[in-house]
Amino acid sequence: RKEVEQDPGPFNVPEGATVAFNCTYSNSASQSFFWYRQDCRKEPKLLMSVYSSGNEDGRFTAQLNRASQYISLLIRDSKLSDSATYLCVVSTDKLIFGTGTRLQVFP
Amino acid sequence: GAVVSQHPSRVICKSGTSVKIECRSLDFQATTMFWYRQFPKKSLMLMATSNEGSKATYEQGVEKDKFLINHASLTLSTLTVTSAHPEDSSFYICSAQAGGANTGELFFGEGSRLTVL
Repeated sequence: RKEVEQDPGPFNVPEGATVAFNCTYSNSASQSFFWYRQDCRKEPKLLMSVYSSGNEDGRFTAQLNRASQYISLLIRDSKLSDSATYLCVVSTDKLIFGTGTRLQVFP
Repeated sequence: GAVVSQHPSRVICKSGTSVKIECRSLDFQATTMFWYRQFPKKSLMLMATSNEGSKATYEQGVEKDKFLINHASLTLSTLTVTSAHPEDSSFYICSAQAGGANTGELFFGEGSRLTVL
């Protein structure tokens, strides 16, 4: 079983749609969780951290379920510029990256 | 925010040659930097953790004699791919943490795309 698993997609959604990504992790001792965004052929950039209580940043909402060992990212009112790969990242003694979920928003 | 610069962004070399990639933290000191490799449509895979003033820590399966890492100062780490072969062609990315360990906010260099002919 992979340490961090994500549905690779692609998720093709129209502008304005709401889309949700899930990620599961295998190590119950994982301490910190993040979502990164990676544009094609570019370096990843931190989108947001994920807290146990759930957190929101504009159109983006992240949630953590420690009991079930999964993390989610919800994007509301999708924009064309949201098209990218979203990487789930889990931290134990190092950061482990998921393979990413590709999102394509169309007009 | 913190900036990490990586050079060169692209390099094409012949099989058997060595290639050096530089990673610099521009506005902060990084005692630890990380080197990743990413194959097309795959995730970033941690290759090694570069520690200033000491030996790098390599992940399982990564040949330390092939991927030489030097972290000579608090702002510079280098990765040298020695005797490169076509299977070494990949996207190599460095990163550093500006805050404490495991704060999670890694700042990445722009990446170096290596093509070995």
